[in-house]
Amino acid sequence: QKEVEQDPGPLSVPEGAIVSLNCTYSNSAFQYFMWYRQYSRKGPELLMYTYSSGNKEDGRFTAQVDKSSKYISLFIRDSQPSDSATYLCAYPNSGYALNFGKGTSLLVTP
Amino acid sequence: NAGVTQTPKFQVLKTGQSMTLQCAQDMNHNSMYWYRQDPGMGLRLIYYSASEGTTDKGEVPNGYNVSRLNKREFSLRLESAAPSQTSVYFCASSVNGGTEAFFGQGTRLTVV
Repeated sequence: QKEVEQDPGPLSVPEGAIVSLNCTYSNSAFQYFMWYRQYSRKGPELLMYTYSSGNKEDGRFTAQVDKSSKYISLFIRDSQPSDSATYLCAYPNSGYALNFGKGTSLLVTP
Repeated sequence: NAGVTQTPKFQVLKTGQSMTLQCAQDMNHNSMYWYRQDPGMGLRLIYYSASEGTTDKGEVPNGYNVSRLNKREFSLRLESAAPSQTSVYFCASSVNGGTEAFFGQGTRLTVV
């Protein structure tokens, strides 16, 4: 079992919808998590960084960690076609590198 | 402000050929990484360099070698390419291990 599981999608929503992207993790020792966004044929880029408790909000994006259920969520409000991308959750692996979930592909249709 | 630069962007190799993927960062980062990305498999760590002068194996190191040439440059070498190494390769760097990683644009490698 991988330490982080992520539904690959694809997830298709209409413009303006609220999107919920999720990862589950198994290692209670994780201290923080990251969400990366990857556009087609581009490298991943950091979207949000959150510690292993509570919520973090940045504009239309909210990252949430539920330690009791070992669930990481990324919410996108008022989704736009420009949000169409693959979203990857990431966590530090023993402090030397980041490990990534497999990514969820999101399509926002006009 | 280049960030992480990878060369080449595209490459086609024949089975058994060798090649080196180049990566350079201009952010004065200590740590550098090579990942490969395959459909359905996500990003997998091949090798990493926690600091200049050190390199270590990641999740999928077989068939690859790396060199941390200096603080800026980290190269990945395929000694004898195989079709299973067809993938998109990403170089990344971070201030220190396990912190925010910045990625290059990727190298699309096809081995025929």
